[in-house]
Amino acid sequence: GQQLNQSPQSMFIQEGEDVSMNCTSSSIFNTWLWYKQDPGEGPVLLIALYKAGELTSNGRLTAQFGITRKDSFLNISASIPSDVGIYFCAGQNSGSARQLTFGSGTQLTVLP
Amino acid sequence: DAGVIQSPRHEVTEMGQEVTLRCKPISGHDYLFWYRQTMMRGLELLIYFNNNVPIDDSGMPEDRFSAKMPNASFSTLKIQPSEPRDSAVYFCASSDLGGELFFGEGSRLTVL
Repeated sequence: GQQLNQSPQSMFIQEGEDVSMNCTSSSIFNTWLWYKQDPGEGPVLLIALYKAGELTSNGRLTAQFGITRKDSFLNISASIPSDVGIYFCAGQNSGSARQLTFGSGTQLTVLP
Repeated sequence: DAGVIQSPRHEVTEMGQEVTLRCKPISGHDYLFWYRQTMMRGLELLIYFNNNVPIDDSGMPEDRFSAKMPNASFSTLKIQPSEPRDSAVYFCASSDLGGELFFGEGSRLTVL
């Protein structure tokens, strides 16, 4: 089946620094999604990308849908303590109804 | 709306016991998903329903796992008999057609 490689697995950064994480796939997706999971909670959608090449921002978050449709990245600018959590990418194909394939996650720690 | 509601939040049981996890999707959502999250395998889709009908159960690990959705507002995931390797966080999620996936807070299962 389809697999997503997400990197890095974990990051330790200082408050105020920018963060970048990415996902690559062995096959194409029609939609890329980025989720954040806080401890003890379920994942929450941050950004959805629907077109190859699309660049979308949500506050301090920016994500791009790769031209090849096999990759995506997420940037967080000027990190703050509440950015701590696990970030997941997910790919979806319209032909597979509602199924998402999730990356393995990036654990982000923001040091004061 | 209260969001996706799962119960119990935590369950500790002994190997061989039956476990039943419950989910109430968001009202009006016609898709319901069960995911399992572990450190080793990340987020895995177990099964999903559309209008109460199971569409894809290829992610269900084995016959010990079963899921039902008797009506639009309730679903169960049952494990019988449970084994230590079933220990994980089980998430329920719901969406409407073409919409965002909303996750519950999860049920953390520990099988001793």
